[in-house]
Amino acid sequence: AQKITQTQPGMFVQEKEAVTLDCTYDTSDQSYGLFWYKQPSSGEMIFLIYQGSYDEQNATEGRYSLNFQKARKSANLVISASQLGDSAMYFCAMREGLGAQKLVFGQGTRLTINP
Amino acid sequence: DAGVIQSPRHEVTEMGQEVTLRCKPISGHNSLFWYRQTMMRGLELLIYFNNNVPIDDSGMPEDRFSAKMPNASFSTLKIQPSEPRDSAVYFCASSFLPGERTDTQYFGPGTRLTVL
Repeated sequence: AQKITQTQPGMFVQEKEAVTLDCTYDTSDQSYGLFWYKQPSSGEMIFLIYQGSYDEQNATEGRYSLNFQKARKSANLVISASQLGDSAMYFCAMREGLGAQKLVFGQGTRLTINP
Repeated sequence: DAGVIQSPRHEVTEMGQEVTLRCKPISGHNSLFWYRQTMMRGLELLIYFNNNVPIDDSGMPEDRFSAKMPNASFSTLKIQPSEPRDSAVYFCASSFLPGERTDTQYFGPGTRLTVL
């Protein structure tokens, strides 16, 4: 079974609109962490945001926020006021288990921002 | 501060040749990870080290792959002999364990390997 599922292979959004990228996860551990990374066309992987399973508040980092719904096992990334530079692949990843370090990645969503 | 440094950025080689990929983690980080990215399999963890010691190499595809970390500032991933199916982008990442709450892994720019 897939540990991380990103159901949107591609998304097209108008500049300045908000966009939500979906991520659902599968784990039986109580302690886990969820990450989002951005991969622009240049290829590097850029860390965006982190949510811990025990965090009571949704994580926010500038224009990025994470809509964490624990009961639904979803960790959607919300980008407010999208910009042309947000066009990239976005990966959701999970680290499960206390003290674990291994990251498991989803297949990614390709986001295209139209002017 | 310098991020994770990888070399070479691009490597084109012929089947059967030995390939060595290099990584310098972020100074002060004590965990290092090697990933491989392909269209078919996505991003996969190959191996990771804590304090220069290999912890989990279950993702290493086969005996042709080996990784070393002789000191805290250098690691290599070697493929010998290389095969066309090894063509991929290889990423190195580092983190600090224990320490910041997230133990976030920071990635290098990757090495694009093409085996002809």
